[in-house]
Amino acid sequence: KAGVTQTPRYLIKTRGQQVTLSCSPISGHRSVSWYQQTPGQGLQFLFEYFSETQRNKGNFPGRFSGRQFSNSRSEMNVSTLELGDSALYLCASSVGQESDTIYFGEGSWLTVV
Amino acid sequence: EDQVTQSPEALRLQEGESSSLNCSYTVSGLRGLFWYRQDPGKGPEFLFTLYSAGEEKEKERLKATLTKKESFLHITAPKPEDSATYLCAVRSGTYKYIFGTGTRLKVLA
Repeated sequence: KAGVTQTPRYLIKTRGQQVTLSCSPISGHRSVSWYQQTPGQGLQFLFEYFSETQRNKGNFPGRFSGRQFSNSRSEMNVSTLELGDSALYLCASSVGQESDTIYFGEGSWLTVV
Repeated sequence: EDQVTQSPEALRLQEGESSSLNCSYTVSGLRGLFWYRQDPGKGPEFLFTLYSAGEEKEKERLKATLTKKESFLHITAPKPEDSATYLCAVRSGTYKYIFGTGTRLKVLA
């Protein structure tokens, strides 16, 4: 059974640009959540989607947005990139029930220069 | 405020030297406590889910336990391949996942 797939794995962007990251969940999983991981802050929750609806949101500025498609695949977008957005962005999926275990992908490494 | 604190931040063990990692939490309406292992440059790998105080789970050299305020990850006779960062997370009553900053474990041969 394939795991969570994230693309691209590595990317470099310039300050002020925007970026879109993609996530394909485990087959049968309907919930997708996104996290930012940095050495100083650890894993920070961005948002969670279930059946194309945002179910929960972390404390990030509006420059960070996401969406989920009918096939449960998800994308997140960061607009007007700042140097501090450089991080590992992790996607995780779960079946979608209240006390689910989430399973992570390998992440997308974003460097903003 | 929901919070997860892991200790120690870093731990060095000799091969075969057993120890425990701690995860203390304050959360309203615990809906699960989770342990993950993360290797450098990779996504976290799921280890255990615990739901209620008194629950224990085991996998190879690892054993996770849960009380009303904390969880322990016991590592018995560790090997160098157990070296990784171990992350603890809780799912709160508002369905958010809150992660600790992890314990970096190094096992020396």
